Amino acid sequence: SQTIHQWPATLVQPVGSPLSLECTVEGTSNPNLYWYRQAAGRGLQLLFYSVGIGQISSEVPQNLSASRPQDRQFILSSKKLLLSDSGFYLCAWSAGGASGNTIYFGEGSWLTVV
Amino acid sequence: GENVEQHPSTLSVQEGDSAVIKCTYSDSASNYFPWYKQELGKGPQLIIDIRSNVGEKKDQRIAVTLNKTAKHFSLHITETQPEDSAVYFCAANEGGADGLTFGKGTHLIIQP
Repeated sequence: SQTIHQWPATLVQPVGSPLSLECTVEGTSNPNLYWYRQAAGRGLQLLFYSVGIGQISSEVPQNLSASRPQDRQFILSSKKLLLSDSGFYLCAWSAGGASGNTIYFGEGSWLTVV
Repeated sequence: GENVEQHPSTLSVQEGDSAVIKCTYSDSASNYFPWYKQELGKGPQLIIDIRSNVGEKKDQRIAVTLNKTAKHFSLHITETQPEDSAVYFCAANEGGADGLTFGKGTHLIIQP
């Protein structure tokens, strides 16, 4: 069966510091990968998605970036965090190829920028 | 792009009663409509989904209905239980690899 892991689960970072959140998927190959952000009490906002190694699409302009160095690895980064980057970050995957496939989420990473 | 509206934002029902959450979408090309349940501090979990070639789907106490003409779909939970308390999100996919467009969520509270 497929599993998705993301870490760290909780992170407290000062303004201006860098960020790296990692996500890996097991039990599937060539998945579509996603990073979503969820601000407190609000819905899910798509930040980035990837249909293959090195292929990143950005949905929202911001000071975050994403990379996919391996087929089942997705990384969310920032060189300098802002207070507004605080939130709950969710990695997700779906089967590649056909559209309309089910999206499965990881357990999330809480980021607090202080 | 797609726009999904979800109502109500908060829903409080007595244990044992039914709960209904409604969503509308804007893009007639959307063909996949999942519902997720999110408990505090956890990632959303898929509870049921429906595709545009089906009008209704049921799984035990949970059902989803889809009206493509009116572009709306609904989640129905019968015989609600305390463990049903959570935030529920509807979503729509317009056929691309760029993931889902989500509603803003409904906080369902089951009163004992």
